Amino acid sequence: NAGVMQNPRHLVRRRGQEARLRCSPMKGHSHVYWYRQLPEEGLKFMVYLQKENIIDESGMPKERFSAEFPKEGPSILRIQQVVRGDSAAYFCASSPSKGADSGNTIYFGEGSWLTVV
Amino acid sequence: AQSVTQLDSQVPVFEEAPVELRCNYSSSVSVYLFWYVQYPNQGLQLLLKYLSGSTLVESINGFEAEFNKSQTSFHLRKPSVHISDTAEYFCAVTHTSGYSTLTFGKGTMLLVSP
Repeated sequence: NAGVMQNPRHLVRRRGQEARLRCSPMKGHSHVYWYRQLPEEGLKFMVYLQKENIIDESGMPKERFSAEFPKEGPSILRIQQVVRGDSAAYFCASSPSKGADSGNTIYFGEGSWLTVV
Repeated sequence: AQSVTQLDSQVPVFEEAPVELRCNYSSSVSVYLFWYVQYPNQGLQLLLKYLSGSTLVESINGFEAEFNKSQTSFHLRKPSVHISDTAEYFCAVTHTSGYSTLTFGKGTMLLVSP
């Protein structure tokens, strides 16, 4: 049973370019979460999605960032016009139904490391 | 809103020594508590979690954590560490009722040396 799959693992973008990070949840999981990890900081929640719906995007920057989880295919985190401050590790996680607030474990992918030069 | 404080950013220990990684949380309602471990360049893996019942929870690799409601703590302990335990450890909290996301502490880097 494959875990949460993220790609690319490493991505380098020049300032002003777009970054697209993909996440395929574990089989049978319909809930996806994106977290960002900055150097020497913990993981910060960005967005929570179910199939075709954004449930909570309270942690997402208002501009340049967007996320989707279509009916078919992986979840996508899109960062437009990247800046140096976007350099971070982006982690996707999934759960089969409701998440940690129901006591369920959420499972993390291995992360996508974005470097903006 | 809930928050998590991990006071130690780095804990160096010698192999076979005991270790305690501290975690304190802040919340006005009941919580679930989690410890995750992150090995270099990898994602987070669940180590153990407290939902209810016994306040002492154990992992399969010898770690244990005790939920202390009065101290609002969930410290992680291991009586004898191995080199392979070198990793970053994150404490996380969420509410038990209503919608709540998982909130993480800043992490503690456990450095085990021979």
